[in-house]
Amino acid sequence: GAVVSQHPSWVICKSGTSVKIECRSLDFQATTMFWYRQFPKQSLMLMATSNEGSKATYEQGVEKDKFLINHASLTLSTLTVTSAHPEDSSFYICSFLSRRGQGGADTQYFGPGTRLTVL
Amino acid sequence: QKEVEQDPGPLSVPEGAIVSLNCTYSNSAFQYFMWYRQYSRKGPELLMYTYSSGNKEDGRFTAQVDKSSKYISLFIRDSQPSDSATYLCAMWTAGKSTFGDGTTLTVKP
Repeated sequence: GAVVSQHPSWVICKSGTSVKIECRSLDFQATTMFWYRQFPKQSLMLMATSNEGSKATYEQGVEKDKFLINHASLTLSTLTVTSAHPEDSSFYICSFLSRRGQGGADTQYFGPGTRLTVL
Repeated sequence: QKEVEQDPGPLSVPEGAIVSLNCTYSNSAFQYFMWYRQYSRKGPELLMYTYSSGNKEDGRFTAQVDKSSKYISLFIRDSQPSDSATYLCAMWTAGKSTFGDGTTLTVKP
């Protein structure tokens, strides 16, 4: 499968600071990517969908001014958590979408995740 | 009501057992059906996907879809301790996936 990297893998920050998480696709280009968050023992919650070169589409209840997404290129996307608070502590996972073409399913490749702890 | 319901588990089986993981769904628009495996503190890894009713086999894994009942299953034969992980079902439509809550499986040596 395709390789997606995420950096940092974990981060601890003070309340009120901003944290940037970087997501890279290492061996394929993708116009569409997703950001998820996952709380312990819960499933992935989609935060936003972004297409390269256009603004991200945020899911209901996700503050776009707090979670800034920049889909800079076909292989790079960043998520910035602005003015982080303890309730933002979670596991953040990015995913790139690979288009398989006619007859095949679109396949998501996930990064290894970033564990954010806000003190 | 959630669009995707997954048997919550946890599930604990002895090595070599056959494991059955199940999900139901309510949205008839779902086009593709996937199973992901997620190890602790890692991102999900795609195991199998299918888009039609019936069975699809890949090694020790078999994915089964019954669109008429809106029910999907993943069977793991000859389970191994390395299969211990959380398994997520996911369904795709309208440009995004909807995930089940996951079933945590432990295979004991």
